[in-house]
This record gives sequence, C-alpha cells and structure tokens, in this order.
Amino acid sequence: KNQVEQSPQSLIILEGKNCTLQCNYTVSPFSNLRWYKQDTGRGPVSLTIMTFSENTKSNGRYTATLDADTKQSSLHITASQLSDSASYICVVSESSYKLIFGSGTRLLVRP
Amino acid sequence: DAGVTQSPTHLIKTRGQHVTLRCSPISGHKSVSWYQQVLGQGPQFIFQYYEKEERGRGNFPDRFSARQFPNYSSELNVNALLLGDSALYLCASSWGSYNEQFFGPGTRLTVL
Repeated sequence: KNQVEQSPQSLIILEGKNCTLQCNYTVSPFSNLRWYKQDTGRGPVSLTIMTFSENTKSNGRYTATLDADTKQSSLHITASQLSDSASYICVVSESSYKLIFGSGTRLLVRP
Repeated sequence: DAGVTQSPTHLIKTRGQHVTLRCSPISGHKSVSWYQQVLGQGPQFIFQYYEKEERGRGNFPDRFSARQFPNYSSELNVNALLLGDSALYLCASSWGSYNEQFFGPGTRLTVL
C-alpha cells in the first residue's frame, strides 16, 4: 500500500532555533515529492518540489532533501520565526495525477 | 491574479441532507482536484477533472460526485450526508493533470 509517514507528529521550538522534519514513503512508482505548509483551517501552500534526480532544494529558510534510494526526505527550517507555526505536510506523487499526503507535522514556534 | 476560490467558506448540514461545494480554478488552469481533510489528518484524494472529464477517483463512496463546467469551475456533490463527512474540503487547480497543484482555502463542512 502506498503510504507517506511523517515524524515527529508535533514539535515545539523556540524562535530563532532550527528544526528538521522527516518523511518516509513507500509510494511506487515515484514521480515527485513535495513539501507543503498549511496554516490552521487554510489550504496547503507549496514550499518545494523535488523529482527523483534532485537531492536538495531550498526556498528561503526552508531546505528539503531527498534520498530516493532509502525513500526518505527531510525539511530543514533555519532561524525559525513565529509565522512558521503551521502543519508541514509531505506529499508524494505517483507517476500520475494522484497525490499521497502524509498526516503532517504540527510545528509550534514559541517566543 | 486571483488564486483558487471556494464557496461557501463554512457550511452546516444535518445527516441525510445533500451538499454542493464550488470551486473556481486559477485563470488558465484546466484541471481541478478535490480532497477531503479530516481534522488532524492529511488530505485524501477524491476526484480529479481535466477538460471536463473525470481523470481519477479516490476511495470514496458513490454518494460523492463531481463535475467540471466549460469555464473549468467545478462542483463537488455529496448526498445522504453522514457525520463522518464532516471535514475541510479542499479544491486544487493546475494547468494540466501532472502539473503543480495550487490549493484553495477550503470549505469547512460540519454535519450534525
């Protein structure tokens, strides 16, 4: 069964600190992997998209990595800000239109 | 440029009723996908439409149906509502079936 699992389920960090979120997937065939940020009650917003051949991609303070061999990805957030408080969702695309979503990591950044 | 828009924002229904949710894609986008997001979980794929034709369907019962209009807007219909249908319903649009999807703000449906 195609699955996307994320850890930790939730995370609390102090403003200014860095953090890393993890994603493991069993989706096959694999097309691409995306990280989304979702504020409570809002639609997800894309942060990064990586294909099979890409190892890392950055978007400002967000850096995503992908190891297609071990089927693992991570999202690293540097110098966290209060506005980073949100759910971060890992999404893996099969070689078609279908997106498989993880359950997300809920991040809370405290002053 | 306006993003994906959805209406209504919130909706309260009772069990057994029918509901219609609407989505307008980003101008120029021809594909619309619908997702159901239950509180605390990631979105689950319901449907994708491209050029007014159904391209894919997730594991949802026949109570769920959708259509896409000539202007590429879309409706999601749910019949015989159950308590378990309470969720945030997200619409996403993309230029084609395989392109990046942009999400709308969602419709929060509560079934009492």
